[in-house]
Amino acid sequence: DTEVTQTPKHLVMGMTNKKSLKCEQHMGHRAMYWYKQKAKKPPELMFVYSYEKLSINESVPSRFSPECPNSSLLNLHLHALQPEDSALYLCASRREGYNEQFFGPGTRLTVL
Amino acid sequence: TQLLEQSPQFLSIQEGENLTVYCNSSSVFSSLQWYRQEPGEGPVLLVTVVTGGEVKKLKRLTFQFGDARKDSSLHITAAQPGDTGLYLCAGGNSGNTPLVFGKGTRLSVIA
Repeated sequence: DTEVTQTPKHLVMGMTNKKSLKCEQHMGHRAMYWYKQKAKKPPELMFVYSYEKLSINESVPSRFSPECPNSSLLNLHLHALQPEDSALYLCASRREGYNEQFFGPGTRLTVL
Repeated sequence: TQLLEQSPQFLSIQEGENLTVYCNSSSVFSSLQWYRQEPGEGPVLLVTVVTGGEVKKLKRLTFQFGDARKDSSLHITAAQPGDTGLYLCAGGNSGNTPLVFGKGTRLSVIA
């Protein structure tokens, strides 16, 4: 299995809603990442988890709350988002000792 | 701060033409990845190059890593409409250091 999966594929939420994005990989990778990508821009790093511990937070607003319940699963909890948070949210994983990251298909988030 | 300058930003060509995309930096990377991304989808890894001077071929795509490991190029021969997409280069270093992405090249191949 060489796949990173993400659910849901699309999400529309209001500014007062609470929702969660889910990412899963079964490649045994111990580093997992959340990226945000706006249209026509490269992905921007949000968070890095290494061995289920948060190792990098790129000064992301607290309305985004990551969670890594186990080595295969990564969640991103969303609360009180703003319309400018609308974007494609990408999850990626990386094998220990290698630099290449494998991306999931993304969640297209729209905040109304 | 490491930066990757990717050029050109946009490229629109006719089917059958050749093209080259460049990725340049003043910094050394331990590896460089090339990704292709279609609208609304995640980037798909095309290749990783790790050795200075390395050349890798993937069908009609040829990837090269500069001798000093500061730059890379992607050459597509006889482009096809299926090659249309956003091409991203990303430089990597050891450990959990985040990938450094270029700004991408948006390629459109017209039939």
